[in-house]
Amino acid sequence: GAGVSQTPSNKVTEKGKYVELRCDPISGHTALYWYRQSLGQGPEFLIYFQGTGAADDSGLPNDRFFAVRPEGSVSTLKIQRTERGDSAVYLCASSSTGRTEAFFGQGTRLTVV
Amino acid sequence: SQQGEEDPQALSIQEGENATMNCSYKTSINNLQWYRQNSGRGLVHLILIRSNEREKHSGRLRVTLDTSKKSSSLLITASRAADTASYFCATPLLNTGTASKLTFGTGTRLQVTL
Repeated sequence: GAGVSQTPSNKVTEKGKYVELRCDPISGHTALYWYRQSLGQGPEFLIYFQGTGAADDSGLPNDRFFAVRPEGSVSTLKIQRTERGDSAVYLCASSSTGRTEAFFGQGTRLTVV
Repeated sequence: SQQGEEDPQALSIQEGENATMNCSYKTSINNLQWYRQNSGRGLVHLILIRSNEREKHSGRLRVTLDTSKKSSSLLITASRAADTASYFCATPLLNTGTASKLTFGTGTRLQVTL
């Protein structure tokens, strides 16, 4: 596609529920990143994929968070047993081989009530 | 954790004036990037400056980098109302090769009024 696409753009869920956030990167970009941004803060790194494998998941806050990229393109961030503190904008980015500039999607605003 | 700190946290100027934002970071870097964010959603890459560069221009943007002070500045000349946004500096981890796992600063919120 022309840019990084994230769905849904907004998600409201009840505490304790499971949610999935989807990211469709720019076609041909091998690297895919998930970030989380709380109000008034800069984005914080969650996980990075190079191809299908998670090259670095050191930013995932706990084992309730999990992400997959089974075919090396679309990625899904999965959050189990959501908590109110998980409320944030979840940003996905992709970059091409050999480049460090990241192209971001518009994000998914997750609200846990 | 945040790598850098932007200064000021907020800046309000009139259209036509110049806006200067500063960023300090903590560790050695390969490059430093500036991003813009409108309305708290997607970020847009503005400019990248490498560690062996001291100054770089792109249109109305001018970026400087001082690796000895671990600081960078972003200057927007002849600002427009459309420049109203949050601006973030970001640095990739030194040991990740070409990967762009980025660490962002806290951002400067720029307001340009008519």
